[in-house]
Amino acid sequence: AQSVTQPDIHITVSEGASLELRCNYSYGATPYLFWYVQSPGQGLQLLLKYFSGDTLVQGIKGFEAEFKRSQSSFNLRKPSVHWSDAAEYFCAVGFTGGGNKLTFGTGTQLKVEL
Amino acid sequence: DGGITQSPKYLFRKEGQNVTLSCEQNLNHDAMYWYRQDPGQGLRLIYYSQIVNDFQKGDIAEGYSVSREKKESFPLTVTSAQKNPTAFYLCASSSGQGAGTGELFFGEGSRLTVL
Repeated sequence: AQSVTQPDIHITVSEGASLELRCNYSYGATPYLFWYVQSPGQGLQLLLKYFSGDTLVQGIKGFEAEFKRSQSSFNLRKPSVHWSDAAEYFCAVGFTGGGNKLTFGTGTQLKVEL
Repeated sequence: DGGITQSPKYLFRKEGQNVTLSCEQNLNHDAMYWYRQDPGQGLRLIYYSQIVNDFQKGDIAEGYSVSREKKESFPLTVTSAQKNPTAFYLCASSSGQGAGTGELFFGEGSRLTVL
C-alpha cells in the first residue's frame, strides 16, 4: 500500500524567508502527488499537483514543488513567505487504478513570525 | 457558486446516539468521499462513492455508514458502534472515475463532539 511521510510536524519561519516543506512517499510505480493547504477549521484547498512530465510544478499563491523519483520526494517550496501562508499543509498521493482515492500525510503546521 | 456544503458545522452527541452528517455538492461530480481528521493523524478515508447507488469502505469504515441515492448527496451516519467519534469530518468530491488524477474539492467540515 502507498504511504506518505511528512517528517516535520511544525515549522516556523520569518516573513519574507524561504520555505521548504518535506514530503516522502512510498509507492511502487509513478504516483500522482498533491499538496493541499488547510486554514484552521476549514476544508482543504489544492495548491498544486503532479501527474507526469515536467518534474517542477507551479501552483497557486506562489508555491512550487519538485518531484524527485530517486529520492521518492515531492517537497513544497516558496521563495518568500507571507504571514497569510500560516496554515497546515498536507501532501497526498494517488495511484493508477485507485480512482481519486488519496492517501494523505499527517500534515505540517506552518507558523510565520512577523 | 458551485461547491460542497456540509452541515451542521458543529454537532454535539451523547454517547449511544447515532448522528448523520450532511454533504451536498452542486459540481456535478461523480465521486464523493468522507474523511476523518484527528490532530497529528492527517486525513483518513472512511467511505467513498464513485457513482450513484454504489460505495466502498475506506480505511476506517467501522462504526460508520453511508448512502448514495442521489448524485448530489452523500450523507454519513456515525453510529453508536464508533468507539471514538469525536473528530473533524470532511466531505470531498471529484470528477471522473478513472485514475487518481483528479483534484478533490472539500467542504468546510463538520466538527462532532461526543459528550
